[in-house]
Amino acid sequence: GESVGLHLPTLSVQEGDNSIINCAYSNSASDYFIWYKQESGKGPQFIIDIRSNMDKRQGQRVTVLLNKTVKHLSLQIAATQPGDSAVYFCAEMRSVYYGQNFVFGPGTRLSVLP
Amino acid sequence: DARVTQTPRHKVTEMGQEVTMRCQPILGHNTVFWYRQTMMQGLELLAYFRNRAPLDDSGMPKDRFSAEMPDATLATLKIQPSEPRDSAVYFCASGLGLSGASYEQYFGPGTRLTVT
Repeated sequence: GESVGLHLPTLSVQEGDNSIINCAYSNSASDYFIWYKQESGKGPQFIIDIRSNMDKRQGQRVTVLLNKTVKHLSLQIAATQPGDSAVYFCAEMRSVYYGQNFVFGPGTRLSVLP
Repeated sequence: DARVTQTPRHKVTEMGQEVTMRCQPILGHNTVFWYRQTMMQGLELLAYFRNRAPLDDSGMPKDRFSAEMPDATLATLKIQPSEPRDSAVYFCASGLGLSGASYEQYFGPGTRLTVT
């Protein structure tokens, strides 16, 4: 079936460097995308979202880029800090007759090296 | 500091037993979600409520799982009978539905279920 995601990789970056986490989605009808951060032993935490009518959105130290042509989503974290170490999930939302349907990707583990 | 609460945080039970997980959404939130997380499958949506009405439970095995919202402050997820393959972390999340342009969901800490 259709799904969001990628094989769960681990991304290791040096503290202070920029991180780029990628996500592919397969349903062109998806109209809303979210990035979540999950620290060990905790529930996912909302980071940033973007609608399909946008191609870029910025938050505090984070930027989400959406390329609908190739169905690709990325999360950029500037000046990566040790506290950014976590698993990052992308999720897509599709509007359906009863409301919304959310599908999460498998996640990417970000490891920040001192 | 409003947050979603879940009980119990950990549950170990034997195969065949009934398991009930509880969630208290953030006061004022009108959407509630139940997710299951495993290493193999990642995060899967099990059920979704809006204004206490179930909108989507297609991700839930109907023969053994049931989800309800007896009132606006309590959501329950029940498994009867439980099986070892149900072992996972179960998350509840709540949100305001479409609030401005965001569908932000606030997740609880999860219930780690182990079925032996």
